Amino acid sequence: IAGITQAPTSQILAAGRRMTLRCTQDMRHNAMYWYRQDLGLGLRLIHYSNTAGTTGKGEVPDGYSVSRANTDDFPLTLASAVPSQTSVYFCASSDGTSGSGGTDTQYFGPGTRLTVL
Amino acid sequence: GQNIDQPTEMTATEGAIVQINCTYQTSGFNGLFWYQQHAGEAPTFLSYNVLDGLEEKGRFSSFLSRSKGYSYLLLKELQMKDSASYLCAVLDSNYQLIWGAGTKLIIKP
Repeated sequence: IAGITQAPTSQILAAGRRMTLRCTQDMRHNAMYWYRQDLGLGLRLIHYSNTAGTTGKGEVPDGYSVSRANTDDFPLTLASAVPSQTSVYFCASSDGTSGSGGTDTQYFGPGTRLTVL
Repeated sequence: GQNIDQPTEMTATEGAIVQINCTYQTSGFNGLFWYQQHAGEAPTFLSYNVLDGLEEKGRFSSFLSRSKGYSYLLLKELQMKDSASYLCAVLDSNYQLIWGAGTKLIIKP
């Protein structure tokens, strides 16, 4: 059992380019989340999905979009990358469906380190 | 606004005990989580408290006082592998997780 996988592990991207970060979980969890983590700041929620077919905005959604076509996959797309989107991106999942955090433990993928030049 | 405060960095000695504090001000409360994050890795779950009191799990214990908006993580018999960041997060009234910036714990031999 892999848990949650993310791809790519790292990426250097030119500003203005489109980029999709992939996230797949095999735990059949209902809820999935995308966070960004920047030095000195806590994890910040970008978007979430309580169940397949539904998505919601988190604290910092601007410049990002998501889709949830099925239970396992939750890709994050940067339509036109900017340098301020340089960050480490974590995908997470949980079995809970209450709001954007749920009452259940969140399990994290290994992260994608993205640099936008 | 919502706020989670933790010390930025702490240093402790191998074999000793360390207490990492977390204070919070959030719109509602539905539980508090502690996660461990080694450098360059993903956060991993340590504990969840929703009722006042102490929860013990091996070398790690977590305490919660809802009236004081306060929690601490207690690590006993410190080992070098405990060098990591420790993240405090609170589930607010909308069931959104609000994260602290984390406490970097440095263990010295």
